[in-house]
Amino acid sequence: DTGVSQDPRHKITKRGQNVTFRCDPISEHNRLYWYRQTLGQGPEFLTYFQNEAQLEKSRLLSDRFSAERPKGSFSTLEIQRTEQGDSAMYLCASSLGGQATNEKLFFGSGTQLSVL
Amino acid sequence: AQKITQTQPGMFVQEKEAVTLDCTYDTSDPSYGLFWYKQPSSGEMIFLIYQGSYDQQNATEGRYSLNFQKARKSANLVISASQLGDSAMYFCAMRELGSSASKIIFGSGTRLSIRP
Repeated sequence: DTGVSQDPRHKITKRGQNVTFRCDPISEHNRLYWYRQTLGQGPEFLTYFQNEAQLEKSRLLSDRFSAERPKGSFSTLEIQRTEQGDSAMYLCASSLGGQATNEKLFFGSGTQLSVL
Repeated sequence: AQKITQTQPGMFVQEKEAVTLDCTYDTSDPSYGLFWYKQPSSGEMIFLIYQGSYDQQNATEGRYSLNFQKARKSANLVISASQLGDSAMYFCAMRELGSSASKIIFGSGTRLSIRP
C-alpha cells in the first residue's frame, strides 16, 4: 500500500519533553501538510510544504513547533518542551499540488499525542 | 477570511433513510472548491466528494451528493440509503484558489450515528 503513513501512531510523553513525529507521503505527491485535531473538532492547519520548501505556517504554530521536509520526501514535526495543551491528534496529508481548487488531500492515520 | 460552519454537532438517522448534513461557508474569492471528508473511529480522513465554485451541476459520487447553493453559500452533503458503516464524523472543507495559501480549512464536523 502506498498511502500516507505516520509514525508513531501513539505517543505518550511527560510535560517538558521533546517529541518528533514522522510522515511519509504518497511518493509522487509534492505537497505535504500538517494538521492538528483536538477531540470533537475539525483539523486545524499548521503548515505545508511544496517539495522541500515550507510555504506557510499557521499562527497556531508557536516557536516550540518546527517542521522539516529535507529532501522533499518525508517530513518531521518536532514539538519542544511539550505542554499539556499540545495533546491532540497530529495529521499529515499529501497532494499532487497544482493550481486547481480540486486538489484533494490524502491523509494518514495520524499520531495521537498525550502529554502528561 | 475563509470560514466553514457546520451547525449540527450530532445526528441520529434510521438505517436506509436519507440524511442531509449542513455546511455553510464564507469566502470573498470567486474561485474555490468545497470538499466533504468522512472520519471513522479509526481516525483516517477519507475524501468523499468535491464541488467547484464554477461547476454548473451538483456533484454526485455513488450514494453521496452535494447540494450546492452558491447564492446561499451552502454545500450540504446528502447521503442516500444510509448504512451502518456510515456512522462517523463528517467534515466540510474549502480551498480558495486566489489565496496565497494552498491550505484546505475544515469545519467543526457533524457526528452521524446510524440506528439499525
